[in-house]
Formats: sequence, structure tokens, C-alpha cells
Amino acid sequence: GAVVSQHPSRVICKSGTSVKIECRSLDFQATTMFWYRQFPKQSLMLMATSNEGSKATYEQGVEKDKFLINHASLTLSTLTVTSAHPEDSSFYICSARGLGQGQETQYFGPGTRLLVL
Amino acid sequence: QKEVEQDPGPLSVPEGAIVSLNCTYSNSAFQYFMWYRQYSRKGPELLMYTYSSGNKEDGRFTAQVDKSSKYISLFIRDSQPSDSATYLCAMSRDNYGQNFVFGPGTRLSVLP
Repeated sequence: GAVVSQHPSRVICKSGTSVKIECRSLDFQATTMFWYRQFPKQSLMLMATSNEGSKATYEQGVEKDKFLINHASLTLSTLTVTSAHPEDSSFYICSARGLGQGQETQYFGPGTRLLVL
Repeated sequence: QKEVEQDPGPLSVPEGAIVSLNCTYSNSAFQYFMWYRQYSRKGPELLMYTYSSGNKEDGRFTAQVDKSSKYISLFIRDSQPSDSATYLCAMSRDNYGQNFVFGPGTRLSVLP
């Protein structure tokens, strides 16, 4: 299957700082990327959907000013957690899908573990 | 009532056992059903993808969908220790992820 990478794999930061997480599709053009958050022993919760070149669509309850998403190219999307707080500590996972592709071709990244002290 | 329900486990079985994992859902609009495997601290990996009611087999894995009962299952035959992971069911209204929802996952341990 296709490969989606995330960087960094793990990050620890102080409360109040901003953290940027990158999601890259390595061998296909990802016209749509998704960002999920997963708390321990819970399922993945969709945070936002981004299409290349347009603004992200956020799920209800997700603050768009706190979780900034940029999808400026067909292979890269970034999620910036601004003014992070301990409650933002979680496992953030991105996924990517190509143009006109169905659900079976939505590939997930390995995740980024964020710990806010 | 949650949209998708799944027994969280943990489920422990001996190596070689047949494993049955299940999800129930409440929204009859779901048409596409998926099973993902997620190893600890990794992203989910697609195992099975089905559309219609009935069975779909791929190697040791069989996915079963019963839309009338709003019930889906994943069977793993001849389970191996490497199958130890969390299994997530997921479903959507269309093939492009409309209302794409994950179940909470079942943690499986296959003991050697």
C-alpha cells in the first residue's frame, strides 16, 4: 500500500507553546488529508478534513483557531497546535487519499504522540 | 447510544484459536464497512473493506456484514501472536468518507 509519514513521531513541549506536525504522502498525490486525535484506549476522532489548496473543514467542537491546518501541496499537510495545554496531550494521526479514490485507499500515518507539560 | 459500539476487550485467546470481533451500529445509512488493525503507538492499517451484506474472505480473515441487524464481524482463523493488536471497525455512508466513523476498538492478545 501507499506510504504516509508523520514528523515528528513524538514531541514534548511546555504549556503555552505551539507545535507543528507534518503529514506527507510519499508515493502518491494526496488531494484530501484527514487529521484525527486518539486518546488512550479510545477510538480515532476526526478533527478536520483538508483538501489541497482550500481551507480545512473542522468537525463540531474542534477549535479551528487552536488547531491550524495547512494543506499547501499535494504531498504535505501540517497541523499546528497553538498555545498547547496539557489537555491537548494525545496521539495525532493523519491520513491521506488521492483524487477520486475511495475509502479503501485512505492510508494512515504512524501517528505523533504529543505530550504537553 | 453511540453510533458504533464495539466491545473494548481485552480479549485473550491461545494461538491457533478462531477469533470473533464484532461491532453494532445504529445508523442505517452506513453502507461501507471496514476493519482496521492498529498496533500499539502506530496508525491504523486497513484489513478488510466491504460494501454489501454477506461474507468477504482474505486469507485468514473473514468479514461479515448483516445490514438488517446492523451488525458486522471480523473472524480471524488460526490466530497468531502477531495478530495481537487493537481492531477497529469503521463505516461510512458513501465511498468517499461521508460520516466516516470508527468504533472504539477491541484489544486482542493472542498468547503463544
